[in-house]
Formats: sequence, C-alpha cells, structure tokens
Amino acid sequence: KQEVTQIPAALSVPEGENLVLNCSFTDSAIYNLQWFRQDPGKGLTSLLLIQSSQREQTSGRLNASLDKSSGRSTLYIAASQPGDSATYLCAVFSGAGSYQLTFGKGTKLSVIP
Amino acid sequence: GAVVSQHPSWVICKSGTSVKIECRSLDFQATTMFWYRQFPKQSLMLMATSNEGSKATYEQGVEKDKFLINHASLTLSTLTVTSAHPEDSSFYICSAVGTAPANTGELFFGEGSRLTVL
Repeated sequence: KQEVTQIPAALSVPEGENLVLNCSFTDSAIYNLQWFRQDPGKGLTSLLLIQSSQREQTSGRLNASLDKSSGRSTLYIAASQPGDSATYLCAVFSGAGSYQLTFGKGTKLSVIP
Repeated sequence: GAVVSQHPSWVICKSGTSVKIECRSLDFQATTMFWYRQFPKQSLMLMATSNEGSKATYEQGVEKDKFLINHASLTLSTLTVTSAHPEDSSFYICSAVGTAPANTGELFFGEGSRLTVL
C-alpha cells in the first residue's frame, strides 16, 4: 500500500527566503507525482506535475524534483512571498489506468512579511 | 490549466435531508471524475471514482447508498449525500482527468464544497 509522507508538517519563514518542502513515498512504482496548493477552505490548485520518466519540472519560482528510485520529491520555492502562504500537498499517482492517487497530509507554509 | 467547477461551495442542511453537489469540467471532457472527502487537518481521502455512463467505483468503507454518484455526461458528475447526519459534515472535493488531446494524467480539482449538517 502506497504511503506518502510530507515533512515538515508546518513551516514558517520570513519573506524572501528560499525554501524546500519534502515528500517521500514508499512504493516507487508510480505513474506521476503532483504538487498542489490548498488555501484554507478551498479546493486544490495544481502546481506541478512530474511524470515518472522526468526528474524535475519548473514553473516560475517553483521547482519540483523527483527521484523515483529513492521515493522522494522536493518542491523548491524561491524568494518566498506572503502570498505563498498555504498548505502544499504532494500526491502520487500509482499505476497507469488505475488513477489511484495517494496524498500526503501536507505542509502548512507561513511566509512572514 | 483546465477548469473544474463545483457547486455549491457551501451548504448547510438539516439532519435527514439530502444534499446534491455538482462537479463540472468547464473546458474539457472528463471521462473520469473523482470524489474526495477531507476532514480538518487531514489529507484528502478518495471516496469513489466516477466514470461517464457507468456505475461509480467506491472505496472500501464508503457507503454507496449514502453517497450517490452520477456521471451522466462527459462534463458533469454529481454527489448526493442522502439522509445526511452531522457526522457527514465535511469538505467534499471533486477532481477530473481530461481526455484528448494530451492526457497526461494530471488531475484538476474543483474548489470544494463544505457541507454542514445540523
């Protein structure tokens, strides 16, 4: 059974800092991995999708890496801003066609102005 | 990115009533939609997988007679919470995976619907 762990559970940083969020998964046989952002009481916004054959994806100040063999992914946020404050969720897609998606519990990020 | 719309975003109902939540893919066709439930400070839990034109597949522990799912078209899936009780109060989120031309397996999520049962 796939398990996804996100560390840390919460993180508070001053504005302007670069930061890294970690995600690990137990079963390396994944189809893809997706990072989401969730604002309080809101749905999920997809940030980055990394296919199992890829090592990283970039979008603006965000960079996500994937090391499938070690079961790890990181989300790097450069020059953090107060607007980045949210919960960041990592989700692993297991098995092409099955669409079984396993979520971590998220990292709650607070960027202090 | 693709847009998934959920309605209503907030609903309060009395115990024993039924509530319907809609999930629409606005600019793409979604052969498969998913319904999740999220408890406070917990991750999302998949409730069921909804395929257009066929019966939904429910995850273990989810009562299919209580959470009725209908996926009648390629752009609409509905979740009906029947005879709702306070323990059904939760945040319900739907997601959809697109089809052609480039189905990467990426999921797009609705904004969620917060259900409060009094």
